[in-house]
Amino acid sequence: QSVLTQPPSASGTPGQRVTISCSGSSSNIGSNTVNWYHHLPGTAPKLLIYSNHLRPSGVPDRFSGSKSGTSASLAISGLQSEDEADYYCAAWDDSLNAWVFGGGTKLTVL
Amino acid sequence: EVQLVESGGGLVKPGGSLRLSCAASGFPFSSYSMNWVRQAPGKGLEWVSSISSSSSYIYYADSVKGRFTISRDNAKNSLYLQMNSLRADDTALYYCASPSGGSADYWGQGTQVTVSS
Repeated sequence: QSVLTQPPSASGTPGQRVTISCSGSSSNIGSNTVNWYHHLPGTAPKLLIYSNHLRPSGVPDRFSGSKSGTSASLAISGLQSEDEADYYCAAWDDSLNAWVFGGGTKLTVL
Repeated sequence: EVQLVESGGGLVKPGGSLRLSCAASGFPFSSYSMNWVRQAPGKGLEWVSSISSSSSYIYYADSVKGRFTISRDNAKNSLYLQMNSLRADDTALYYCASPSGGSADYWGQGTQVTVSS
């Protein structure tokens, strides 16, 4: 059972917009910033969003993040086939003194 | 170019030990907190342990506390994870990583640890 809660799956057709939610608590999302990662199993996770809504250099503006209270979300617009991957939210937890991750959302592009 | 290269994984019997290493380059390693994160087969990412830049603060997941020891050598730009009393549920791909609240967020490709008799 992951500390952060994400839907296990999401899907969309090319060009559509999809959102992935991430729910936490006051000790993690409620008091710290959220990162979002793109991950293909067996490879290094790639940072998509940091500080809730900022994109590292090289990440397309199709990817956007937001946070409200103890929840966060990742939006992907203009869905492309290469967006098929697992997506994880993460935040530091002040009570656990640990990085906590969501369980991951498998995105399928139909 | 930033590189984190893990090594030391392998096949070990239950109850055995392994020492993972992570060689860092391309960024000021001694200024960064470092972590080990793992992914078991068919599961999500799981944080294992963190160590602050000067080794003053060390934290472990409950699942590994008392069995794993994280350490670092800033002179060698290296991070380590000593894993003792290994169990089948420690089987995973282990990543060396420096997640943060900023854009300087680096991950290695991982090293596979398999615990099986």
